[in-house]
Amino acid sequence: AQSVTQLDSQVPVFEEAPVELRCNYSSSVSVYLFWYVQYPNQGLQLLLKYLSGSTLVKGINGFEAEFNKSQTSFHLRKPSVHISDTAEYFCAVSDAGDMRFGAGTRLTVKP
Amino acid sequence: SQTIHQWPATLVQPVGSPLSLECTVEGTSNPNLYWYRQAAGRGLQLLFYSVGIGQISSEVPQNLSASRPQDRQFILSSKKLLLSDSGFYLCAWRGSSYNSPLHFGNGTRLTVT
Repeated sequence: AQSVTQLDSQVPVFEEAPVELRCNYSSSVSVYLFWYVQYPNQGLQLLLKYLSGSTLVKGINGFEAEFNKSQTSFHLRKPSVHISDTAEYFCAVSDAGDMRFGAGTRLTVKP
Repeated sequence: SQTIHQWPATLVQPVGSPLSLECTVEGTSNPNLYWYRQAAGRGLQLLFYSVGIGQISSEVPQNLSASRPQDRQFILSSKKLLLSDSGFYLCAWRGSSYNSPLHFGNGTRLTVT
């Protein structure tokens, strides 16, 4: 069965600084990878997804992620964060039947 | 376009009382449906998923159950709530393909007192 590990539970960063949220996965078959964002007391919104093709995928709100098969990673990046990016971010993997999520990374952007 | 409705938004129930949370999807047919629970400060735990009417897969043995009486309706139930059932419950749907993303409802905040 697939699993996802988000290596950082909390990431504090100053406004306009770059950020990377790390995600590693394990799966015995080909996978599809996703990043979601959750604002307080709301459901999750899709940021971006990797299905196939180019390993660098771009999403909404200026985020991008790079799929690295040899390192089984799918790290999320943004070159310059805003206060409004403060939220919980979840990495997810899907291979058959269901989707598994990491424990989440709390991104806090400070002024 | 597809939409997902989940209600109620918040719920406070005493220990031992029953529970029924409902989720409906519009604008698509034969979706895969999911119930997740999110405890405070923790990630998402998959509770149930369904690939069709009457087909329910349970991920975690507990006092919760799920049913899918109609194609686009998914219900989470309990006969007797426990304190540990408190949390944020999220319903989600996606297409039948494994590369389809999940689309989430706005969640139900359940507090068992």
